[in-house]
Amino acid sequence: NAGVTQTPKFRILKIGQSMTLQCTQDMNHNYMYWYRQDPGMGLKLIYYSVGAGITDKGEVPNGYNVSRSTTEDFPLRLELAAPSQTSVYFCASSLEGANLFFGPGTRLTVL
Amino acid sequence: AQSVTQLGSHVSVSEGALVLLRCNYSSSVPPYLFWYVQYPNQGLQLLLKYTSAATLVKGINGFEAEFKKSETSFHLTKPSAHMSDAAEYFCAVSDRSYQKVTFGIGTKLQVIP
Repeated sequence: NAGVTQTPKFRILKIGQSMTLQCTQDMNHNYMYWYRQDPGMGLKLIYYSVGAGITDKGEVPNGYNVSRSTTEDFPLRLELAAPSQTSVYFCASSLEGANLFFGPGTRLTVL
Repeated sequence: AQSVTQLGSHVSVSEGALVLLRCNYSSSVPPYLFWYVQYPNQGLQLLLKYTSAATLVKGINGFEAEFKKSETSFHLTKPSAHMSDAAEYFCAVSDRSYQKVTFGIGTKLQVIP
């Protein structure tokens, strides 16, 4: 099992550009999550999904969108990148929520 | 809504000394509580979890935590620190639906030889 994979590992965007962060898990987990991690701020939940076709907002959803068309994939879309979205983004999945498996992260810089 | 507060963003201990990382929680319903560890440039991984069975929970790498309802605490301990324990540790809380797992700000543990 590859677990949770995220692409790309690093990305630099210009203000106003758009991009999609990819997340795939091969553990047949129902729950998937997107977090952002900023220094001294811990992890903040952006969006989560409890199954294909079901998504909901977390603490900091503004500026992001998600979709969950399959159990395996949970992409995160940034439509108009802003410097405030410079962060490290982690995708995670869980069978029932008790144990989150994290991907290696995507380090995004918006200039 | 649930939340956790981690006391001390940085903790330094000598190799072989006791590790104590503090976490207090706030929850209007009986919580589930977790400790995760993050090594440099990696994602988080679960150390241990409390899901209302035994109040003393043992995890990986010799860590354990005790759920104390009267103190609303879930502190992480290890009797003897090892150099490989240097990492950032996150306390987290969830309600019984698990739909939202909320993390604390993290505590960076430094182990001094």
